[in-house]
Amino acid sequence: EAEVAQSPRYKITEKSQAVAFWCDPISGHATLYWYRQILGQGPELLVQFQDESVVDDSQLPKDRFSAERLKGVDSTLKIQPAELGDSAMYLCASSARTGGRIMNTEAFFGQGTRLTVV
Amino acid sequence: QKEVEQDPGPLSVPEGAIVSLNCTYSNSAFQYFMWYRQYSRKGPELLMYTYSSGNKEDGRFTAQVDKSSKYISLFIRDSQPSDSATYLCAMSAFAGGTSYGKLTFGQGTILTVHP
Repeated sequence: EAEVAQSPRYKITEKSQAVAFWCDPISGHATLYWYRQILGQGPELLVQFQDESVVDDSQLPKDRFSAERLKGVDSTLKIQPAELGDSAMYLCASSARTGGRIMNTEAFFGQGTRLTVV
Repeated sequence: QKEVEQDPGPLSVPEGAIVSLNCTYSNSAFQYFMWYRQYSRKGPELLMYTYSSGNKEDGRFTAQVDKSSKYISLFIRDSQPSDSATYLCAMSAFAGGTSYGKLTFGQGTILTVHP
């Protein structure tokens, strides 16, 4: 069964260090999302890609966070420098596009990367 | 006020009970509605997806959407201990024009089904 792959599953980093997360969406899925989920809360969107283009990064703290999806397939989310408040689960999700028109379809999530900043 | 409101619970029920989980929303542009189940330290798993008002059934799960009241529900029949998890509602607007189908989530409801 196709699934969204994320790595690493867990990451512990010191404050002010750089950290990166990787996501490989389900094959053929044009839309890729990065969400952050703080314990006890629902996921909140950080950035959304349509193919290789960013279509929504309004909630991404751009002074320290960056995201790329160079070939429109896998994606990397980077934090530099990490802060204590960045400790959370970082979730990647993907959804398909039907034909030549952007359609909403189901979004499927990976297992997430749990980040702890110490 | 958040666009999507969900009672965080926690909700505790005996095995076999019918469970009702609910979300309200304020953005009338939302057209697509999803329910996810999330086990501890795991990613959300899609349970139900619907884009029309009314009911959609899948096994023990029924999703209900009332767009006129901006209210959605998930019913679980014959609940099992394995249903114990956090349930998240999510919704999005039509992905056309300048909208790209961003998913907006509720806070999640923690459900425990005890034997």
